[in-house]
Amino acid sequence: EAQVTQNPRYLITVTGKKLTVTCSQNMNHEYMSWYRQDPGLGLRQIYYSMNVEVTDKGDVPEGYKVSRKEKRNFPLILESPSPNQTSLYFCASSLPGGRLTGELFFGEGSRLTVL
Amino acid sequence: GEDVEQSLFLSVREGDSSVINCTYTDSSSTYLYWYKQEPGAGLQLLTYIFSNMDMKQDQRLTVLLNKKDKHLSLRIADTQTGDSAIYFCAERDTGTASKLTFGTGTRLQVTL
Repeated sequence: EAQVTQNPRYLITVTGKKLTVTCSQNMNHEYMSWYRQDPGLGLRQIYYSMNVEVTDKGDVPEGYKVSRKEKRNFPLILESPSPNQTSLYFCASSLPGGRLTGELFFGEGSRLTVL
Repeated sequence: GEDVEQSLFLSVREGDSSVINCTYTDSSSTYLYWYKQEPGAGLQLLTYIFSNMDMKQDQRLTVLLNKKDKHLSLRIADTQTGDSAIYFCAERDTGTASKLTFGTGTRLQVTL
């Protein structure tokens, strides 16, 4: 089954404790992206990757890192989490822009609480 | 940068039609999308429209695009309780390949 898998789905952590949210897709998509969803703000892009070893900042990259060492994986790293990073995070993937409709496929989300 | 706006909440009675509206600022948008988010789940593509189209119909869903006013709407006919969800409008421009800019989402509540 074609899917985007995120882990963990739920996490409560404390300020400053490094954490990684993993994302894996099995559709051989070149493009992957991380979004955060906050009430009244919709989805905002954190980072994206056009292909292996190619990453770039989205609209709200501060406090986050990413890596793309393999095509299928795109982990989101919070080196020193702070309470304002409490949010619902989504990983998504697609074929590159210009290929078909550019539909994004989403994972089920990771709800992060930073105390 | 691009901006996509939606109203936050809509309540309709079961069996009525729902109309969810969206406005966007990027005139170079190529595709415009409607995504549905059910409680506790990720977003799923509901439908999309290419920018050279005015209307697209798919069963109970009708998408209308007014490029001049940069206005997109989603009409759901015969709304059911299973349609209760958050609906996101999104646009993809030609400038940043693959990036979708999302609206704030409209929470649709269907009452009996």
